[in-house]
Amino acid sequence: QKEVEQDPGPLSVPEGAIVSLNCTYSNSAFQYFMWYRQYSRKGPELLMYTYSSGNKEDGRFTAQVDKSSKYISLFIRDSQPSDSATYLCAMTQPYGNNRLAFGKGNQVVVIP
Amino acid sequence: DGGITQSPKYLFRKEGQNVTLSCEQNLNHDAMYWYRQDPGQGLRLIYYSQIVNDFQKGDIAEGYSVSREKKESFPLTVTSAQKNPTAFYLCASTRDRGYGYTFGSGTRLTVV
Repeated sequence: QKEVEQDPGPLSVPEGAIVSLNCTYSNSAFQYFMWYRQYSRKGPELLMYTYSSGNKEDGRFTAQVDKSSKYISLFIRDSQPSDSATYLCAMTQPYGNNRLAFGKGNQVVVIP
Repeated sequence: DGGITQSPKYLFRKEGQNVTLSCEQNLNHDAMYWYRQDPGQGLRLIYYSQIVNDFQKGDIAEGYSVSREKKESFPLTVTSAQKNPTAFYLCASTRDRGYGYTFGSGTRLTVV
């Protein structure tokens, strides 16, 4: 079983729709959870960062962490064509070498 | 502005050649990382360094070498022992586990 599972998609939605992305993980020691956005031929950029369980909102983006289910989600409201990118989840433990465990990424296409 | 600079953006390697990818950061981050990204494979860790003059192998270190003589610099050499080097290479750095990674814009290496 891989440490982090993420359905690679691709996911196509019409402009204005809600995009829902998720990852599951197996390591219960993970406490820091991140979502990165990667445009084609560019490096990933940090989009959302959450510690432990709960929700975090930033503009049109909401990140949720459910540690009991080992499940994290990213929601994008009022999606725009500029949101078309690959979204990667990542997570790490609160101790040790701070290596991030990444999902494989989920390609999202927002159709105008 | 602070950030990570990777160079060159595109690199072509002939069979049997060693090539070196540059990664420089002016963020004063202690830890630096090299990843390889292939379609459908996600990010795979090659090497990482948590402090100057020290580095550790990641999951796919065979055929690669690194050095960390300065805090700002973490060059990656792709040796002739790496049989399938064509990929997108990403360098990252972090200040601490509470801050996530900052990525460079990547180097696309192609074997010709």
